[in-house]
Amino acid sequence: QVQLQESGPRMVKPSETLSLTCTVSGGSFNNYFWSWIRQPPGKGLEWIGYVYNSGFTNYSPSLKSRLTISVDASKHQFSLKLTSVTAADTAVYYCARLVLMSGNALDMWGQGTMVTVSS
Amino acid sequence: QSALTQPPSASGSPGQSVTISCTGTSSDVGTYDYVSWYQQHPGKAPKLIIYEVNKRPSGVPGRFSGSKSGNTASLTVSGLQADDEADYYCTSYAGDNIPVVFGGGTKLTVL
Repeated sequence: QVQLQESGPRMVKPSETLSLTCTVSGGSFNNYFWSWIRQPPGKGLEWIGYVYNSGFTNYSPSLKSRLTISVDASKHQFSLKLTSVTAADTAVYYCARLVLMSGNALDMWGQGTMVTVSS
Repeated sequence: QSALTQPPSASGSPGQSVTISCTGTSSDVGTYDYVSWYQQHPGKAPKLIIYEVNKRPSGVPGRFSGSKSGNTASLTVSGLQADDEADYYCTSYAGDNIPVVFGGGTKLTVL
């Protein structure tokens, strides 16, 4: 059974960079699009972007200028870096597997990690 | 790209059926049969329950079904159970630049 686990700092200061890593275990890493999604407290879900195992990326237009998603296929890991954060970036961040052949369904999710932007 | 439109809340009694709508545009829901639905219990990660409009992943009960007409997709939960009380989100493909757009979510209450 595929499992995804987010890791990284739980608190980030305003204007600094938010960095998270997702480790995938128990299944194939190749031929999937590895995604980040976030959910501010009490609000809905927002797609952030994805990376393919080749390094190909696709980002949300609203975050594109501050966002980098990278992959280390040898370690079955992918990472998110979001620069110049503000309080509006406070959210639970989820990593998930996107399956292109299932209409871009996000079929496996990590448990999520709460990141707070505060001084 | 605007989020897909869902009603903020829906409710039904145990055993009844409830339908949740997800309205997009001709640029997303209306053009592509790439609509998914997710169930999220409080404090938990979302779970995929419907993909490609009306397909169920293995293990998802047949009480959950999906459909689409024009720019609106729908999720129907039949035979409501207490554990169905959760937030439900739809997504759609909206082109290569926006492969995933979420709906605002619907809180389903089982009365």
